[in-house]
Amino acid sequence: TQLLEQSPQFLSIQEGENLTVYCNSSSVFSSLQWYRQEPGEGPVLLVTVVTGGEVKKLKRLTFQFGDARKDSSLHITAAQPGDTGLYLCAGVFGGGSYIPTFGRGTSLIVHP
Amino acid sequence: KAGVTQTPRYLIKTRGQQVTLSCSPISGHRSVSWYQQTPGQGLQFLFEYFSETQRNKGNFPGRFSGRQFSNSRSEMNVSTLELGDSALYLCASSLGGTEKNTIYFGEGSWLTVV
Repeated sequence: TQLLEQSPQFLSIQEGENLTVYCNSSSVFSSLQWYRQEPGEGPVLLVTVVTGGEVKKLKRLTFQFGDARKDSSLHITAAQPGDTGLYLCAGVFGGGSYIPTFGRGTSLIVHP
Repeated sequence: KAGVTQTPRYLIKTRGQQVTLSCSPISGHRSVSWYQQTPGQGLQFLFEYFSETQRNKGNFPGRFSGRQFSNSRSEMNVSTLELGDSALYLCASSLGGTEKNTIYFGEGSWLTVV
């Protein structure tokens, strides 16, 4: 079973602070997605990365895909209360499988 | 473009009953997946349907079943409900079939078993 580890599990920060969330595996990802989920709602896709070393930016969010495609990070600059939510990474390991494996998520709370 | 639509959004059932949840995928998407989300286990894959055929299945008991119709709409059924089946059930759709496939989720159906 291929595992996908997310860290940290919980983050509680003040508005304006920066933060980074990590997603790691011992296996190579064919592609990786980051989602954000608010309480009681379904996950909303933020980004898909497929190329090793790829960097994508979405306003104050920066996503990096590791060169070896075994890890990814999400960095948020100057966090705002509206960033509060559960951040999930989901990786497809390839080898004929295209069902993504989800991490347990990082629960972020940004205090005003 | 309409997103993934799930119905009902909330429901309460009694232990031993059965429940059917419905999902309408994004137009043009032929793959529909179902996930169970609980605080303790996170997001767990139930099964995936593509062109009316179940292509992949997770590690859930046979009480969990699903089907897909010719218009790609999907339903999942849980029979003989147990308290532990209380969860958010998420449907996701995609074009399907590639390793760079991206799935898009609906808002989910909250099931409470009492």
